Amino acid sequence: GAVVSQHPSWVICKSGTSVKIECRSLDFQATTMFWYRQFPKQSLMLMATSNEGSKATYEQGVEKDKFLINHASLTLSTLTVTSAHPEDSSFYICSAQKTSGSSEQYFGPGTRLTVT
Amino acid sequence: KQEVTQIPAALSVPEGENLVLNCSFTDSAIYNLQWFRQDPGKGLTSLLLIQSSQREQTSGRLNASLDKSSGRSTLYIAASQPGDSATYLCAVRLGVWQAGTALIFGKGTTLSVSS
Repeated sequence: GAVVSQHPSWVICKSGTSVKIECRSLDFQATTMFWYRQFPKQSLMLMATSNEGSKATYEQGVEKDKFLINHASLTLSTLTVTSAHPEDSSFYICSAQKTSGSSEQYFGPGTRLTVT
Repeated sequence: KQEVTQIPAALSVPEGENLVLNCSFTDSAIYNLQWFRQDPGKGLTSLLLIQSSQREQTSGRLNASLDKSSGRSTLYIAASQPGDSATYLCAVRLGVWQAGTALIFGKGTTLSVSS
C-alpha cells in the first residue's frame, strides 16, 4: 500500500501558458501533501505544503500567485504553474503523508515540465 | 537553518565492492532520517527510514546508521552490483511540532557500479 501517482508524467508547454499537475494518493488518505522541485543535478527543494481544506504554505522565494496549489480532497492535490516560462522547466515531485498511522511520506514518480 | 550535506558527490566502484555513503546535518533536533534512491529522470524510492531514537536500520544489502548527536548518518552497501547505480539521497525530517513536516534533502551521491 501507500502508492502516490502523478499526472502527467511529462509535459511540454509554450511560454505563457498554464499547466496543471495532479498528485493522488491511491490507497490512503493524506491530509498533508508536499510539492518539491528538482533542477538538473540539484536536490529536491520544498516549494509548498498543502493541507486539505486550507490554503497552502509556500516556502520563501516561491510565488504563490504563480504556483497555485489546491488540495480539495484527502486524496488529491494539484499544482498549477501559471504563465509558465522556460525557467520553470524542472522536475516536480509530490509526496503525501497519511492522515493516520505512520508519519512516513510517500513520493510520487514526478512530472517533467519543459517550457519552450 | 537545517542543512544536509552528502559526501562524496559521485562515486565509481567495481562490482562486488562494499561502500559507504555519508550524510551530515547541521541541526541534531531531527524527527527521523531517510535514505532514498533516485534513478535518472525518475521519482524517489525509499530505502531506509531511521527514527531519531534508533541507531541503525537494515534491509538486505543495505545498512543505515544514525548518530544524531554528531549529526551524521552513513549508508553501507554490501557487495555492490551494477543495478545499484543511481543517485542516493539523504533527507531529514525536523522535530514533530505540527502535523505534516517536509523533508530537507541533501544533493545526493551519484553511484556508478561497473561490471
